[in-house]
Amino acid sequence: GAGVSQTPSNKVTEKGKYVELRCDPISGHTALYWYRQSLGQGPEFLIYFQGTGAADDSGLPNDRFFAVRPEGSVSTLKIQRTERGDSAVYLCASSPGGTGNTIYFGEGSWLTVV
Amino acid sequence: GENVEQHPSTLSVQEGDSAVIKCTYSDSASNYFPWYKQELGKGPQLIIDIRSNVGEKKDQRIAVTLNKTAKHFSLHITETQPEDSAVYFCAASLGNYQLIWGAGTKLIIKP
Repeated sequence: GAGVSQTPSNKVTEKGKYVELRCDPISGHTALYWYRQSLGQGPEFLIYFQGTGAADDSGLPNDRFFAVRPEGSVSTLKIQRTERGDSAVYLCASSPGGTGNTIYFGEGSWLTVV
Repeated sequence: GENVEQHPSTLSVQEGDSAVIKCTYSDSASNYFPWYKQELGKGPQLIIDIRSNVGEKKDQRIAVTLNKTAKHFSLHITETQPEDSAVYFCAASLGNYQLIWGAGTKLIIKP
């Protein structure tokens, strides 16, 4: 597709369950980012991939969060043992790579933990 | 580290009037300044950006100005329309992958 695609668009899960959120970046973009956004706030950086490797995962809040990008394209954000505080919009973004490139966002996956 | 402050947090203007949102940054090495528009239920959409070698950039009704000496940059929207209502975020980057975000401005266009 032309833009960053995220699935699911909405996910409601019970506390303690495991969740996977998928991101399909713009074709050819080597850089991929995950952000988290709570209501009324700006995006909060989680992790950055350059190709297949996580170049910076310093934003992941704890070890329940993990992300992969095995083939350098699609990425999956994985959340184990979900907590109510994990409820937020999870935004994926991509850019052509290198430094100083424009970052393009997807529409987000709205996660609600009940 | 870099810090970005954005003002105002809410801005209400009459349809047809101009709107200005201002941001200041702390790290003089920052060299890339994008502006994003976010509508309810959607992801941030890049509307305009500017690099440190340029003082002003314009795209139809939207313009961004950059003052490197004062370390501030502004978004200007002229002839505002109802569809301009959204939350606007500024950001700054040192030219690497990291964006440092402002807190956002909720723009309300009154009919």
